[in-house]
Amino acid sequence: SQQGEEDPQALSIQEGENATMNCSYKTSINNLQWYRQNSGRGLVHLILIRSNEREKHSGRLRVTLDTSKKSSSLLITASRAADTASYFCALNFGNEKLTFGTGTRLTIIP
Amino acid sequence: NAGVTQTPKFQVLKTGQSMTLQCAQDMNHEYMSWYRQDPGMGLRLIHYSVGAGITDQGEVPNGYNVSRSTTEDFPLRLLSAAPSQTSVYFCASSHGGSNTGELFFGEGSRLTVL
Repeated sequence: SQQGEEDPQALSIQEGENATMNCSYKTSINNLQWYRQNSGRGLVHLILIRSNEREKHSGRLRVTLDTSKKSSSLLITASRAADTASYFCALNFGNEKLTFGTGTRLTIIP
Repeated sequence: NAGVTQTPKFQVLKTGQSMTLQCAQDMNHEYMSWYRQDPGMGLRLIHYSVGAGITDQGEVPNGYNVSRSTTEDFPLRLLSAAPSQTSVYFCASSHGGSNTGELFFGEGSRLTVL
């Protein structure tokens, strides 16, 4: 399967702490994207990182990509209650298809 | 700006019935796609289109038909619904395709097949 695997499946942290979730894959990618999904809603794009990039930032989000280990991580700093959601990595292999993982469910405890 | 609009939001069908899930976007995006989301399985690509008149199959196309007669619309048709098609369906669009940019998602259509 070309699906990414997120780890952990679920994560609960205290508000203000940092949250880290990981995505591993098996086949070389063109780009990797992270999405957020609030309960009962559609997915929202967070960050796209290309295979020749190692790190990208957007506000409190930091994404790293290690192509040698075929893995990526999403770090959310200074978490807030509003960050409670499911987070998905999505893989592009240079074609018109985007393959999603099964997601990490993040719960921020006030 | 409405973005990606899906209708209906909820639908209950009986086995064997047919229906069409509608998807419209007002961003002039060339690329549109349909995913289904099932518990524990993430999102799986059903069909996609890179422009009007062009469609192609994704990972799980069986039981679904699509057409793309205009840039704005990308309907998904279930010809003979089965209980296995009970799912949440998401339509998504992109300016440059998934290999170059972000996908914009609709709010989903929740389908139950009895």
